[in-house]
Amino acid sequence: EVQLVQSGAEVKKPGESLKISCKGSGYSFTTYWIGWVRQMPDKGLEWMGIIYPGDSDTRYSPSFQGQVTISADKSISTAYLQWSSLKASDTAIYYCARLGDQWLATGAFDIWGQGTMVTVSS
Amino acid sequence: EIVMTQSPATLSVSPGERATLSCRASQSVSRNLAWYQQKPGQAPRLLIYGASTRATGIPARFSGSGSGTEFTLTISSLQSEDFAVYYCQQYNNWPPLTFGGGTKVEIK
Repeated sequence: EVQLVQSGAEVKKPGESLKISCKGSGYSFTTYWIGWVRQMPDKGLEWMGIIYPGDSDTRYSPSFQGQVTISADKSISTAYLQWSSLKASDTAIYYCARLGDQWLATGAFDIWGQGTMVTVSS
Repeated sequence: EIVMTQSPATLSVSPGERATLSCRASQSVSRNLAWYQQKPGQAPRLLIYGASTRATGIPARFSGSGSGTEFTLTISSLQSEDFAVYYCQQYNNWPPLTFGGGTKVEIK
């Protein structure tokens, strides 16, 4: 079964760092782009950026460039989203998702992780 | 950045009726348009890609149409499990690959 499994919910304080994960299985992890999508409370979906695990080529939405870092470790089929200094406005659910066309850095997200809830509060 | 506008924001429909959801792009996205369904507490699920191709396992009552800047998702006969929020997304011009604001389909 093709799936993406994300790490569990996090509660952090403003200014703290955080790294959440997304583990792929059931397919060739290195040949499909993985993206991250933010969903703030009771809001819509926002595309943050994508990474190609095969060579760690990464593309960011201008809105998120410099705010987060996307990385991957192909040896363990895992992608990451990290923050160096969290803000209350980072409170959201974060989804990882796979772009459905092998090798292509565009397309629809065909497989989604279950989401990771990140709460930032003092 | 391409802006995707969905209408209406909320659609009230009775079970068994047809639902028609609209998505408009601020500039042409060709047929590079996807639709997703999201139920409360769940991750989004891909319904349609390429404007009109159903994803694996999606029932035939879901259909997509359109090209350029105007797109439609039609649910031919609403079932109880179809009440959810629906998002369109363009993947023609990036970054970013923008989503619409969503249409909530609720029970009338």
